[in-house]
Amino acid sequence: NAGVTQTPKFRVLKTGQSMTLLCAQDMNHEYMYWYRQDPGMGLRLIHYSVGEGTTAKGEVPDGYNVSRLKKQNFLLGLESAAPSQTSVYFCASSSSPGLAVLQFFGPGTRLTVL
Amino acid sequence: GNSVTQMEGPVTLSEEAFLTINCTYTATGYPSLFWYVQYPGEGLQLLLKATKADDKGSNKGFEATYRKETTSFHLEKGSVQVSDSAVYFCALSDHDGGTSYGKLTFGQGTILTVHP
Repeated sequence: NAGVTQTPKFRVLKTGQSMTLLCAQDMNHEYMYWYRQDPGMGLRLIHYSVGEGTTAKGEVPDGYNVSRLKKQNFLLGLESAAPSQTSVYFCASSSSPGLAVLQFFGPGTRLTVL
Repeated sequence: GNSVTQMEGPVTLSEEAFLTINCTYTATGYPSLFWYVQYPGEGLQLLLKATKADDKGSNKGFEATYRKETTSFHLEKGSVQVSDSAVYFCALSDHDGGTSYGKLTFGQGTILTVHP
């Protein structure tokens, strides 16, 4: 059982380039989330999805787009990368939005924008 | 809005020392509280949780008690090991006026290093 996987693990981009980060989960979870982790700031929610075909903005959505065409996949896109988007990106999933329901996290993608 | 504040790190201890990492929160509703741990090169894993006041979460020798009167959820362990070296995150999940989508609000993280 793979849980939550993220592709790629590392990436270096030049300013203005675009890329897509892929998150996949095999637990049949409805809810999926994208976070970014920056030093001294914990994790901040970028976008989330409450089911296939749905997406919604989190705390820091600017400069990112997402899609959830299949229940098991949640894609995060950067159309025109900026150095401020240098960060570690984590995907998470959960079975429901209940208060005490676990979110399962992927291993992260380390992105550097030069 | 909701917020979580953790003690600043990094924290460096010798093996078998007592550990406390402070966490306080601000929430508009009745949150559930969590401690997550991130080992080097890995994603976050849930360490323990508490869903209501006076609940105590525990796992792997770690404990934290949900204190509503002081809005705190401090993490403790009586005797740390080298293998406990990691980043620890305090987090809360609040009921946002009926539109709950499981959003977690994280503290900034505390780096713990344990030396032999």
